[in-house]
Amino acid sequence: SAVISQKPSRDICQRGTSLTIQCQVDSQVTMMFWYRQQPGQSLTLIATANQGSEATYESGFVIDKFPISRPNLTFSTLTVSNMSPEDSSIYLCSVDRRETQYFGPGTRLLVL
Amino acid sequence: GESVGLHLPTLSVQEGDNSIINCAYSNSASDYFIWYKQESGKGPQFIIDIRSNMDKRQGQRVTVLLNKTVKHLSLQIAATQPGDSAVYFCAEREDTGRRALTFGSGTRLQVQP
Repeated sequence: SAVISQKPSRDICQRGTSLTIQCQVDSQVTMMFWYRQQPGQSLTLIATANQGSEATYESGFVIDKFPISRPNLTFSTLTVSNMSPEDSSIYLCSVDRRETQYFGPGTRLLVL
Repeated sequence: GESVGLHLPTLSVQEGDNSIINCAYSNSASDYFIWYKQESGKGPQFIIDIRSNMDKRQGQRVTVLLNKTVKHLSLQIAATQPGDSAVYFCAEREDTGRRALTFGSGTRLQVQP
């Protein structure tokens, strides 16, 4: 498996502000993924982040709203910009390891 | 607590019984499938996976069955324990180089002592 940590684990934010979520992996990985899990829902892919290239966003997600950085092979950040209450969700990063995908513990975001 | 799985279908079983959680997928190009368990306050935890060239795979107390004809996946948990109570998600992936997963809607498993 992979050891993945996320910071912060949870936060309460005011609308209009931005929050940057960090994801750290215990070893180098090529691909990292960011997912969103809205209350009572399943996981939806936001974007795929490869080191050294721009992130690839899924339909319905744009870089201006969810900018992603991937400065090296063990770290990535996701920023949730100009937040609204609709952004209240769990944000999860994941990595591929030996054909399987492993998830971090998630960041629980509440926007007031 | 958080509301993961708040609106999901629920399967309620007695401790010691066997559980069967089902998942239908729609993409006939999917060739890799994973079952995850998500407990309250945690990220999804890998349980077991299966490739499309297999129709059954067994792990410790868990078995995954794949029926490609009807695009159906199931997770069987033997001798269900209270610690198995969680939300279970199936996920699929195409063999196109795209490594991201598509998740099913999830099922909440409640184990009654």
